[in-house]
Amino acid sequence: EVQLQESGPGLVKPSQSLSLTCSVTGYSITSNYWGWIRKFPGNKMEWMGYISYSGSTSYNPSLKSRISITRDTSKNQFFLQLNSVTTEDTATYYCARYRSADYFDYWGQGVMVTVSS
Amino acid sequence: DIVLTQSPVLAVSLGQRATISCRASQSVSISSINLMHWYQQKPGQQPKLLIYRASNLASGIPARFSGSGSGTDFTLTIDPVQADDIAAYYCQQSRESLNTFGAGTKLELK
Repeated sequence: EVQLQESGPGLVKPSQSLSLTCSVTGYSITSNYWGWIRKFPGNKMEWMGYISYSGSTSYNPSLKSRISITRDTSKNQFFLQLNSVTTEDTATYYCARYRSADYFDYWGQGVMVTVSS
Repeated sequence: DIVLTQSPVLAVSLGQRATISCRASQSVSISSINLMHWYQQKPGQQPKLLIYRASNLASGIPARFSGSGSGTDFTLTIDPVQADDIAAYYCQQSRESLNTFGAGTKLELK
């Protein structure tokens, strides 16, 4: 069974970088697409971007100058880095398998990240 | 960006039918492919895929869930509603490379 697990710090200071890891078991990240989604405290959900089976990426234009999604195929992990965070980046962050770059069929449990000094 | 509009709350009785709607600001269909998907989320849990491409039941999802629609108007139906279905429901479109989600409909008991 495909399983995903996010990990990373739950508290980040303003202006610093947010870095999260998504560890995948049961399926190779060299197949399909892999995405990051976040849910804000008011329940709004935002598509952040993805990395493909080949390593190509696509990002939400609203984040494009601050976001980077990379991977380590040897560990079957992919990563999210979001630079210059503000309190508005406080959210629960989810990684998910992005089936055919269409819909998210397997999700991690999510990690709550608070941006605060 | 394609804006997806959902009613914030829907109150239903157990055993009755729940119809949750999602309206897109522009068509999310390409030919006969409807690029609208539905998720269920319970408090403290991750979203769960229910329906993909408007009407396809995801693996392991009970047959009381169904989806329909095309173009700009889509519906998720739960019939009959069970206690375990009390949750928030979100639609998501993948017609544009910038995918967007609806704000969610919270299903409540009458």
